[in-house]
This record gives sequence, structure tokens and C-alpha cells, in this order.
Amino acid sequence: DAKTTQPNSMESNEEEPVHLPCNHSTISGTDYIHWYRQLPSQGPEYVIHGLTSNVNNRMASLAIAEDRKSSTLILHRATLRDAAVYYCILRQRWGAQKLVFGQGTRLTINP
Amino acid sequence: DAGVIQSPRHEVTEMGQEVTLRCKPISGHDYLFWYRQTMMRGLELLIYFNNNVPIDDSGMPEDRFSAKMPNASFSTLKIQPSEPRDSAVYFCASSLARLTASYEQYFGPGTRLTVT
Repeated sequence: DAKTTQPNSMESNEEEPVHLPCNHSTISGTDYIHWYRQLPSQGPEYVIHGLTSNVNNRMASLAIAEDRKSSTLILHRATLRDAAVYYCILRQRWGAQKLVFGQGTRLTINP
Repeated sequence: DAGVIQSPRHEVTEMGQEVTLRCKPISGHDYLFWYRQTMMRGLELLIYFNNNVPIDDSGMPEDRFSAKMPNASFSTLKIQPSEPRDSAVYFCASSLARLTASYEQYFGPGTRLTVT
């Protein structure tokens, strides 16, 4: 499985944008980039995914570098409820459907 | 939709006892995953099923662990005999494969297992 690298922790202020980086220099051409987050005392939840183009949904935006070796999850206006561990995961487009979770980035939001 | 349902939510047992964790996936989903989360090792995939058939059990720690999926709406993860190092939060997740092959996994609330 291709590996991802994320900062251990980040901190931001409420109502400000947050940019969570992820490096995946060994990504293959058929790997999807998935982001999940885990709120305290809950199971992980899906946030967003992409392949090559930038993606937006109601929760966040995903900006993917042109060479696909890095990506950034963008929370446009952080709230206290966005405090969580965010995981960047590469998943094969075909074949094994499993997700391999790394250590993720623990995001703290200050009021 | 009720989401993925896991039971029990908390389990405390003594070393050597048998433990059975239960999971009901989202109706219509064809993949089911069992994960374990500890502070030391993070979130690890134990085993996953496709259409009730085990596909990859390489994450199952040892023979004390077994998982079954007798039908599309029910799965169990059994630990026999249990040991203190099995203490963890166990998550079940389900998903539906789509033609785009880019589906998402839906996780249950987890079962917190404590083995004393």
C-alpha cells in the first residue's frame, strides 16, 4: 500500500479556514485519495475523496496537486465540532477495497 | 437508515473468557469490515467480507480471533480465550461497491472491550 505522511497535529481558530496537508509521493495512477475524520469517542466518518481533479462537498474541499504527490483538505470555516483526527488514505481503484489508516492529524480548534 | 449497528457498546470480561462482538451492516451494503483501535497501534483492519465471504483476514492477530458473516445482515467477531492485550475499541464498517470503485465506508459506533 502506498504511504501517506501527515503532520501529527495542527491548531486553528474557530471560523477560520483550515488547510490539512498530506504527502503521498509514491501514489500510483489508479489510487484514489480519501479523507476520513474521527471525532472524539466515535467511529471514523468519510469526508471526501478524489482522483485527479479538485473536489468540493458540503463538508470540505480537496485540492490535489497536479503531480498528485500531495493533497490538501480544506475546511472553509472551522467550527468547534471539526476538532477531530483527520486521516488521509490512498485506496486502490481496483482490487482490494480495504483502507489502511495511518496516524492522522489531530486538529484542535480554538474558540 | 439506522447506520451500522454494533453490540454491545461496552464489554468488560475476565482473561480467558470468550467474547463475541456483533455487527449489523447498512442494508444493501456488500462489504463488511472489522477494525481494531488502540493507542499504541492506531486503527487496524482485521478482516473484511464481500457478499458474506471473507476476502482478507491477514490482519487477524492470531487463532484466538475468528469472524463470521452468516448472512448479509449480521457478522460476529469472536475472541476465545480473551487476553488483556485484546483490550481495544472494535469497529465494524460497511460499504457498497459502485462502478466508480470509489465508495465510502460507514463505521459503527464501536465496541469498547476491556479484558481484566
